[in-house]
Amino acid sequence: NAGVTQTPKFRVLKTGQSMTLLCAQDMNHEYMYWYRQDPGMGLRLIHYSVGEGTTAKGEVPDGYNVSRLKKQNFLLGLESAAPSQTSVYFCASTGDRVSSGANVLTFGAGSRLTVL
Amino acid sequence: GIQVEQSPPDLILQEGANSTLRCNFSDSVNNLQWFHQNPWGQLINLFYIPSGTKQNGRLSATTVATERYSLLYISSSQTTDSGVYFCAVKVSDSWGKLQFGAGTQVVVTP
Repeated sequence: NAGVTQTPKFRVLKTGQSMTLLCAQDMNHEYMYWYRQDPGMGLRLIHYSVGEGTTAKGEVPDGYNVSRLKKQNFLLGLESAAPSQTSVYFCASTGDRVSSGANVLTFGAGSRLTVL
Repeated sequence: GIQVEQSPPDLILQEGANSTLRCNFSDSVNNLQWFHQNPWGQLINLFYIPSGTKQNGRLSATTVATERYSLLYISSSQTTDSGVYFCAVKVSDSWGKLQFGAGTQVVVTP
C-alpha cells in the first residue's frame, strides 16, 4: 500500500516554462488536495477536488490549474512558471465525504520546485 | 474564511520537559487534525480530534469545540519530537476544504 505518491520529487524550471505535478493515491479516497508550503507561511491550499471530475479553488489558485480525470490521480499544472511559484508542493487525500467530517488527511512526501 | 491561529510560534524545550501547544479557530468545525512535520519535511497525522480528548503514547490532544480551541500536549519530550506541529480544521458547513494554521516550531535539545 503506497498511500499518496507525488512525482517528480524535485524539479528546476526556467521562468515561463510549463510543467505538471502528478499525485496518485491508492486508498480509494474521494477528496484530494494540493498545498504549497513556503517558509514561515504554513500550508496554503491551492486547489482541491471532492471527487472524480470535480475541482475547486483554494486560497492561492492563481497561476495553477488542476484536473481529476481519474479518482486516483490529481494533477497540478503550471502553464507559465514564475519565481514566486518556487515552493514545496504537497498533495494529500482523505476519504471524507460531504455529509461527514471523518477521516484523516494523508500526505505525499512533497515536491520541491525551483523556478529560476 | 475561517481563521486558524496557533501558539506559540516557536518553542525550545529541554529533553524531558512537558509542553502545551494551542490552536484557536474562528468558526464551528467538524474536522480537526494535528500533524507533525519532521525535519525532513514529512507530514504525519497525529490526531483526528473534532471534540474530546485522545492520547497516543506521550502525546495527547483535547478539543473544546464549543470554545473553539484545541490543545496538543507533549510530555517527557524527546529530540525526535522536534519539528513543526500544525493543526488543520474544516468548517462545518463547507465541503472538503481543510484550513491549516501557521504551525508551532518545536526544538527539543538534549
